[in-house]
Amino acid sequence: DAKTTQPTSMDCAEGRAANLPCNHSTISGNEYVYWYRQIHSQGPQYIIHGLKNNETNEMASLIITEDRKSSTLILPHATLRDTAVYYCIVRGTMEYGNKLVFGAGTILRVKS
Amino acid sequence: DGGITQSPKYLFRKEGQNVTLSCEQNLNHDAMYWYRQDPGQGLRLIYYSQIVNDFQKGDIAEGYSVSREKKESFPLTVTSAQKNPTAFYLCASSITGIQYFGAGTRLSVL
Repeated sequence: DAKTTQPTSMDCAEGRAANLPCNHSTISGNEYVYWYRQIHSQGPQYIIHGLKNNETNEMASLIITEDRKSSTLILPHATLRDTAVYYCIVRGTMEYGNKLVFGAGTILRVKS
Repeated sequence: DGGITQSPKYLFRKEGQNVTLSCEQNLNHDAMYWYRQDPGQGLRLIYYSQIVNDFQKGDIAEGYSVSREKKESFPLTVTSAQKNPTAFYLCASSITGIQYFGAGTRLSVL
């Protein structure tokens, strides 16, 4: 699995966009970038994933750089309920078991 | 509602005791997983199963055992050989690479 690097923590004002960066400089051509989040004492929740194109869904947008060495998860209008640990994970499509390797993630604190 | 159900929510283990954590899914997913999470840490993979009657060890399988007799069920047994079982245990199932998680079981040692 390619290693990812995320900041330990970030703060964001309620109603503003939260931009969470992730570095994955050793990513290979067939590896996707996945984002999950974990609200305190709950199971992780899938947010979004992408290969090389930018992606958007009802929760967030994912911007992947052209060289694919980094990405940014954007929560367009953060609310207090978005306070959570956000995990950036890189995974290949051919890995047996579709395993996910979770690092320590970024603690996002949304403040009023 | 479709989803993954873990039970119990809280579990206490006595010294030398085996305990079993339940995980049931009605999503019709083939693959299921067990993770362990320690305070302030990410998730670590214990076991996973791609299909009924087949399962593979993850990164920290020692002291744990699983079975997969039905597609819907993937119970995890924490054996007495696991000397530090206190943790948050999470079960997941997946299809097309996206994993869906249960609410977790918090295991403590008495």
